[in-house]
Amino acid sequence: GGIITQTPKFLIGQEGQKLTLKCQQNFNHDTMYWYRQDSGKGLRLIYYSITENDLQKGDLSEGYDASREKKSSFSLTVTSAQKNEMAVFLCASVQGNYAEQFFGPGTRLTVL
Amino acid sequence: GNSVTQMQGQVTLSEEEFLFINCTYSTTGYPTLFWYVQYPGEGPQLLLKVTTANNKGSSRGFEATYDKGTTSFHLQKASVQESDSAVYYCVLGVAGNKLTFGIGTRVLVRP
Repeated sequence: GGIITQTPKFLIGQEGQKLTLKCQQNFNHDTMYWYRQDSGKGLRLIYYSITENDLQKGDLSEGYDASREKKSSFSLTVTSAQKNEMAVFLCASVQGNYAEQFFGPGTRLTVL
Repeated sequence: GNSVTQMQGQVTLSEEEFLFINCTYSTTGYPTLFWYVQYPGEGPQLLLKVTTANNKGSSRGFEATYDKGTTSFHLQKASVQESDSAVYYCVLGVAGNKLTFGIGTRVLVRP
């Protein structure tokens, strides 16, 4: 088995601040994802990466950057935090098409 | 584009009652359909998966049948337990590695 670790679990920032969320997986999966989870809106894809140093934009990429410098890690940066983007950010990984995506426990972002 | 519709925001049941969650989807491709479940404080996890080849999936007492004619993929369980309280997501996979999630249905089972 494997595990996905997300740090920090809770992230509090000021409006306009640049904030970084980190994700590590030990499944040795090729593809990793960042989703944003808002109550009543499900999960929306921000960025994904199919291999080391690859980045693909999702439906919600504006205002975010991502980095995949190693196969096992995928980080997400909120470039200028806004109060309307307080949400839970979920990282996931998968090997192959239509296979099970494994999720981390999430990072809850609060913007003051 | 691809879309998933889950109409019920929350379902409240008593133990041993029948659970039914409605899901419909829209796509021009060949779908693979999933139900994911999310317990409090955790990320979503796969509950079951169905492809166009096998039509029906089941896991832990839950069943879902893919109906191409009505483009539906409803989830049901004959007798729920308090431990089934969670958020359930209907999810569509079409091409490549991207998934489309429904908004989720919160299921609350009272003892």
